[in-house]
Amino acid sequence: KTQVEQSPQSLVVRQGENCVLQCNYSVTPDNHLRWFKQDTGKGLVSLTVLVHENDKTSNGRYSATLDKDAKHSTLHITATLLDDTATYICVVGDRGSALGRLHFGAGTQLIVIP
Amino acid sequence: DMKVTQMPRYLIKRMGENVLLECGQDMSHETMYWYRQDPGLGLQLIYISYDVDSNSEGDIPKGYRVSRKKREHFSLILDSAKTNQTSVYFCASSFLGNTGQLYFGEGSKLTVL
Repeated sequence: KTQVEQSPQSLVVRQGENCVLQCNYSVTPDNHLRWFKQDTGKGLVSLTVLVHENDKTSNGRYSATLDKDAKHSTLHITATLLDDTATYICVVGDRGSALGRLHFGAGTQLIVIP
Repeated sequence: DMKVTQMPRYLIKRMGENVLLECGQDMSHETMYWYRQDPGLGLQLIYISYDVDSNSEGDIPKGYRVSRKKREHFSLILDSAKTNQTSVYFCASSFLGNTGQLYFGEGSKLTVL
C-alpha cells in the first residue's frame, strides 16, 4: 500500500502564477520529510528538509510546511518560471539516519506554460 | 565537487545477459543506495550500503546484487537480466547519520529486450 500520496498528479500553470503541491502520508514513525525536484531525464535534486512538528522552510521561491499531526506537507512555488517545469517528489524518512527507510511518493508533474 | 556519477546512462540488453551499473561519489559518504524508478510509482529501494562490504537488502532485492569494495564506488549487478527489470536506476549517497543532503545521480536507463 502506498504510504506517501501526492496531489495533484499533474498541474499546469501559467508563468508567474503561484502553485501549491500536497503530500499526505501514513508513514510511522515520521522523522523527517523531504521535497525533491526532478527534471525530465535527470536525477532528484533536494529542495528542502522538514524535521519538526509545524516546521516551515523557505528556499528562494520554494517554501514548505509540515504538519506532523495531520501527516501532511505542502510545497508552495511562487511566481513560477518555465524552468520550474519538473516532477516534484515528496519523501518521508522514518528515522533520523540512513539506518531508516525513505518512503517516496510518485510525484506531482508540474508544467509551466508561457 | 559534490557529485554522484552513474555509468552508463543508457543501456540496451537482451534477456539473459548480464548487466553492470556503476556509481561513484566524491563526497566520502558512508551510505550509498540503489533505487529503481518506474512510471507512476515512487522510487523503490533495491540495496543500501553502509560502507565498504557492508550491504543490506532493500525492498526489492530479488534479481540484483551489489558490490562495494571502495567507499566511493557502488555497483549494481543483474545476473541474467529479465524484461521486467527494464527501468531507470538511480544511485544516491549520504552521510550515515544525517537528515541533510541526499545526493542522486542522473540515472541509468536500462532496457531489457
